[in-house]
Order: sequence, then C-alpha cells, then structure tokens
Amino acid sequence: QVQLVQSGAEMKKPGASVRVSCKASGYTFTPYSMHWVRQAPGQRLEWLGWINGGNGNTKYSQKFQGRVTITRDTPASTVYMELNSLRSEDTAVYYCAREGLGGYSYTHDYWGQGTLVTVSS
Amino acid sequence: SSDLTQPPSVSVSPGQTASITCSGDKLGDKYACWYQQRPGQSPVVVIFQDDNRPSGIPERFSGSRSGNTATLTISGTQAMDEADYHCQAWDTNSASVVFGGGTKLTVL
Repeated sequence: QVQLVQSGAEMKKPGASVRVSCKASGYTFTPYSMHWVRQAPGQRLEWLGWINGGNGNTKYSQKFQGRVTITRDTPASTVYMELNSLRSEDTAVYYCAREGLGGYSYTHDYWGQGTLVTVSS
Repeated sequence: SSDLTQPPSVSVSPGQTASITCSGDKLGDKYACWYQQRPGQSPVVVIFQDDNRPSGIPERFSGSRSGNTATLTISGTQAMDEADYHCQAWDTNSASVVFGGGTKLTVL
C-alpha cells in the first residue's frame, strides 16, 4: 500500500533552517510528483511547492521563493523540504503530498502523517 | 488574489444534506478537489477533478462546479462526516496550488 512516512517533530530557533524528509513506499517513486503543504494552528492549508516526478524540476510558491528548497533522492524514494531563515510564523505542521496521475492529476491522492515544526527562541 | 473562499462553518442535522461552497475569481479555469480532515489527521481526498469520487469514498459525497464556484455536497450526512473540508484548485498558468480557508462541518 502507498505510504509516505515523514521525519519527526523539530524545534528550531528563529533564523535557523529545518529539513523535513518524506520517504515513499508501496509504489514506483517516479514519475509521481510530490508537493509540500503546511498548516499553521487555526490556519488554512498553504502550498509551499512541488518537485516534478519525471524531470525533477521544482516550482515554489512566490511567498516562499528563496527560502524553500525541495529535493529528492530517487534511489532512496525520499523527498526533502528545507526551509531557511525560520521565524515564529513558520510554526506549523508540514505535509508531503503525492500528486496523482491521469485522472488524479492536480490532486493530492496520498499525504504523509505530518511533521510539526516549532520555531521559538 | 487567487485564494479560494469557503464559509468558515456549516451545520447540518444527521440525515440531512450539507453543501459547502468554494469560490474564487479564477476557479473557472481550474479543476477543484476537496479534502476531508479530521482532528489530528492528514487530509484525505473525497472529490477530485470537480466531480469525481475516489474509490472507498461513500456515494453520499458529490461535487460540482459552475463558473467560479465549486460545491461539495454530502447527502444523508452522518456523524462520522463531522470534520474540516478544504477545497483546492490548480492554477495551470502558474503551475501552482491554492487552497480555500477550510469549512468546519458540524453534525448536530
């Protein structure tokens, strides 16, 4: 069965960086694209960006451009999201979410369990 | 803004029909999908590409879209449907994703 297993909770100080991993299993890693979405307490889901499953190209939300980097290790079936220059407003649960293929294009058909990132001095 | 607008909350009696709307000025150019999120859990897709239901999702869940408004309808609502519901669209021009603010469905 498809599983996306994320790394554990992180606590960081303002100005630091955080890297969250998402290990996929139960399906052929490529050509599925992977997205990163976050949810701050009481806030809407917020899209950070994605990595194209076929060519590895990335696209980031304008809001996070320059602060977020999404990479992948194809042999390890793992995608990473790194967010720099953390501030308190970045405190949120971060999710990886697979984009489906064919009729499921433009849809996040599987989600990771979420990783809580807390930014506090 | 390309953000999508949802009502913050909707209440429904068990067995009745709940409708949750999602509107955006460019929604007409994009597919909409809907996610159910129970407290402390990850979102689960219940409707994709406007009106398609994934396998395993009960038939009481349906979706539609007209112009700049997408609607999630839950017929014969059950207590287990109480959750937050999020709409999402894909902006093909910018290859980016936008979400609605989420709607808390309460089954009274």
